[in-house]
Amino acid sequence: GDSVTQMEGPVTLSEEAFLTINCTYTATGYPSLFWYVQYPGEGLQLLLKATKADDKGSNKGFEATYRKETTSFHLEKGSVQVSDSAVYFCARDHGGSNYKLTFGKGTLLTVNP
Amino acid sequence: KAGVTQTPRYLIKTRGQQVTLSCSPISGHRSVSWYQQTPGQGLQFLFEYFSETQRNKGNFPGRFSGRQFSNSRSEMNVSTLELGDSALYLCASSGDPQSETQYFGPGTRLLVL
Repeated sequence: GDSVTQMEGPVTLSEEAFLTINCTYTATGYPSLFWYVQYPGEGLQLLLKATKADDKGSNKGFEATYRKETTSFHLEKGSVQVSDSAVYFCARDHGGSNYKLTFGKGTLLTVNP
Repeated sequence: KAGVTQTPRYLIKTRGQQVTLSCSPISGHRSVSWYQQTPGQGLQFLFEYFSETQRNKGNFPGRFSGRQFSNSRSEMNVSTLELGDSALYLCASSGDPQSETQYFGPGTRLLVL
């Protein structure tokens, strides 16, 4: 079935380090892809999205490119901050008007000063 | 615009009881989805409503049910609570059929004792 696999954490980085969180998806249909972020005690916030192959989503210094050939949507940031510490979820939808998201397991990122 | 609101934010129930959670979508949004988040299973889709009709349902037992009202507000109900129902229940709303972006509320944290 449709699934999303993302790199397991936790990931611990120093401030200003480069971040990559890997995400791959099953190649069924033509999904839109998303990264959501969850801060402690809160719900999910949309970080960025891409709706078709080769699209690049970006927000707050984070970027991810929809790679159809590798079925990937890796999240990157050039210089992380302490405030980026959170859990990051990769997700795909199921196309059309089907408002169902399938999420990866989440990756806990901790950024130390 | 106000975001998605969920009430209550925290609930403690005992096994065998039932519970009703409420979600108010972003103004103008007609689709409401519900997700269960647990440490073991991660984020799992429960169901989605659009214009008072359930369009999609996840793989959960019939104890989990929901409904949507004419003003797009939604409720979910869990009957005969089990310990394993302890989770964060997240509601998300979406309004634009083309964007397929879901916006999440802060969640209701349910503890079943």
